[in-house]
Amino acid sequence: DAGVIQSPRHEVTEMGQEVTLRCKPISGHDYLFWYRQTMMRGLELLIYFNNNVPIDDSGMPEDRFSAKMPNASFSTLKIQPSEPRDSAVYFCASRATGFNEQYFGPGTRLTVT
Amino acid sequence: GENVEQHPSTLSVQEGDSAVIKCTYSDSASNYFPWYKQELGKRPQLIIDIRSNVGEKKDQRIAVTLNKTAKHFSLHITETQPEDSAVYFCAAINYNQGGKLIFGQGTELSVKP
Repeated sequence: DAGVIQSPRHEVTEMGQEVTLRCKPISGHDYLFWYRQTMMRGLELLIYFNNNVPIDDSGMPEDRFSAKMPNASFSTLKIQPSEPRDSAVYFCASRATGFNEQYFGPGTRLTVT
Repeated sequence: GENVEQHPSTLSVQEGDSAVIKCTYSDSASNYFPWYKQELGKRPQLIIDIRSNVGEKKDQRIAVTLNKTAKHFSLHITETQPEDSAVYFCAAINYNQGGKLIFGQGTELSVKP
């Protein structure tokens, strides 16, 4: 298996633009997590899904952020409109029920100018 | 909800010395405690974990101990090497209540040759 796949790996955009981050979990994994990592706030859980259903979105910072999981092999995190304070590395991770280990994708480094 | 505190935030040791990182958790029902290592520019990766029915686990130069009564667990790295330099995250989860890992704030370990 190729592991968790994220795209793009790097994104540079201007303030006000819409940004869409993509994630493909490991096949067979029924949990999918979106994290944001910054120096100031560390590793924050934004939202997670189980069987494509959002379970906990309490970490989503505000209405500018939205996440979807239309099927078991694809999820998106959208920021609209983007702001400079959204600059961070965004990680997607997945896990299978009954197994402990959570696998992280390579991350998307987002820079909003 | 669960809260995980991690100390110290930075740790500098000489090559060959031991390093200890400590975490405390608040939810006594937490039953799984992984440790992740994140090298600069890379994704977090699981290095060792422990379940609540075990007090200690070792894997070569790394070990984790768990004190359920005190609700704390620690990572021990012996004979440190420069390649151990990274950020280490502890985490806790109660799998009986869902799939959300709660991470500590991270410890930046620097091993000086």
